[in-house]
Amino acid sequence: QVQLVQSGAEVRRPGASVKVSCKVSGYSLSDILIHWVRQNLGEGLEWMGGFDPEDLERIYAKKFQGRFTMTEDTPTDTAYMVLSSLRYDDTAIYYCVTTLKDYGDGDAFDLWGQGTRVTVSS
Amino acid sequence: DIVMTQSPLYLPVTPGEPASISCRSSQSLLHRNGYNYLNWYLQKPGQSPQLLIFWVSNRASGVPDRFSGSGSGTDFTLKISRVEAEDVGVYYCMQALQSPDTFGPGTKVDIK
Repeated sequence: QVQLVQSGAEVRRPGASVKVSCKVSGYSLSDILIHWVRQNLGEGLEWMGGFDPEDLERIYAKKFQGRFTMTEDTPTDTAYMVLSSLRYDDTAIYYCVTTLKDYGDGDAFDLWGQGTRVTVSS
Repeated sequence: DIVMTQSPLYLPVTPGEPASISCRSSQSLLHRNGYNYLNWYLQKPGQSPQLLIFWVSNRASGVPDRFSGSGSGTDFTLKISRVEAEDVGVYYCMQALQSPDTFGPGTKVDIK
């Protein structure tokens, strides 16, 4: 069974950075494209970054450019996201997501990690 | 960014009865390839969201056929032909035509 298994909850001070991991289990990271979506507590879903289906380049939402970075370590099948200069409103659940099946190039995310809660608090 | 809106935001339903959720985008989601880049997700209580429908009307694997999607351009609808208790949760539409992908605010479906 294919799974995305994320690292545990984190607490950070404002201005700090956080790194969240997403391990692909039962599949090869090199065969999929990992995107990141967050959910502010009590609010909806927000796409942060992923891959352009046409050229497979990393793309980041403008809102997060400059402080959000996605990386992949294919030997360990683990993807990472780093969010820096944390603010109180970065408190959220962060999900890694991907499309496994042949659902076209429309970001139909059929596999989600369990989510990682990041709390920004002084 | 493309703005997604949904209505209603809260939908109490009776098991066995139909239900319908509307989603509207601030600009057309029609790609040059002829597909509308509109997906539907359901987030059940305490779970990660799950894909229900992609490209407006295509059910994801394992999704019951009581779920159907329709629409084109800027107006879309998700219908549940006969609601079951397991269908409660928050339904989100999402556009993937233009980066950044954007989600609607969600429609909370609950049993009356």
